[in-house]
Amino acid sequence: EAGVAQSPRYKIIEKRQSVAFWCNPISGHATLYWYQQILGQGPKLLIQFQNNGVVDDSQLPKDRFSAERLKGVDSTLKIQPAKLEDSAVYLCASTQLWERAYEQYFGPGTRLTVT
Amino acid sequence: AQSVAQPEDQVNVAEGNPLTVKCTYSVSGNPYLFWYVQYPNRGLQFLLKYITGDNLVKGSYGFEAEFNKSQTSFHLKKPSALVSDSALYFCAVRKRSGSARQLTFGSGTQLTVLP
Repeated sequence: EAGVAQSPRYKIIEKRQSVAFWCNPISGHATLYWYQQILGQGPKLLIQFQNNGVVDDSQLPKDRFSAERLKGVDSTLKIQPAKLEDSAVYLCASTQLWERAYEQYFGPGTRLTVT
Repeated sequence: AQSVAQPEDQVNVAEGNPLTVKCTYSVSGNPYLFWYVQYPNRGLQFLLKYITGDNLVKGSYGFEAEFNKSQTSFHLKKPSALVSDSALYFCAVRKRSGSARQLTFGSGTQLTVLP
């Protein structure tokens, strides 16, 4: 089966600019996650979707970050305006909805550099 | 709140020797525990999980991990290391209950296997 797809793979922007990342989960996976991985740290959950609804966005900086999953399939994460500290790898992951679906499957990530 | 500690930023081991990557966790109730591996410029790949049952769980590429409830640990092990095992390893924990299935990751351990 095809894995989680993300684009772009790399992005360089200046601070105060905006940027968007795209994720297409594994087919049939109802739950989608966005993580932020800062260099030298483990991934940190930003937002979790179940179908097209938000399950948890408690760690999403809502003044500048937004995410949507309008049709319950692919998702977009946006940052506007970007700050230097947003430089990180943004990982998308997905999993099946049913209770015994334990593993999350990760995409290759988008490496964002804010200058 | 749940948390994971990986006390070693770096582990070096000679090829053919056994390896151990340490992980301790903190979570209310019984946990689900995971190990993921990350190769350069790639997303996280699932290695193994502890859900229930035997404390020793076996995963991909010859890796295994031992769940120790009294010590709240879930150390990753391999009897004979390969150079190709060199990568960044993350331990993660998840609560058993609740609709949100967030993984909380440790900060990662860089494993280097020396030829």
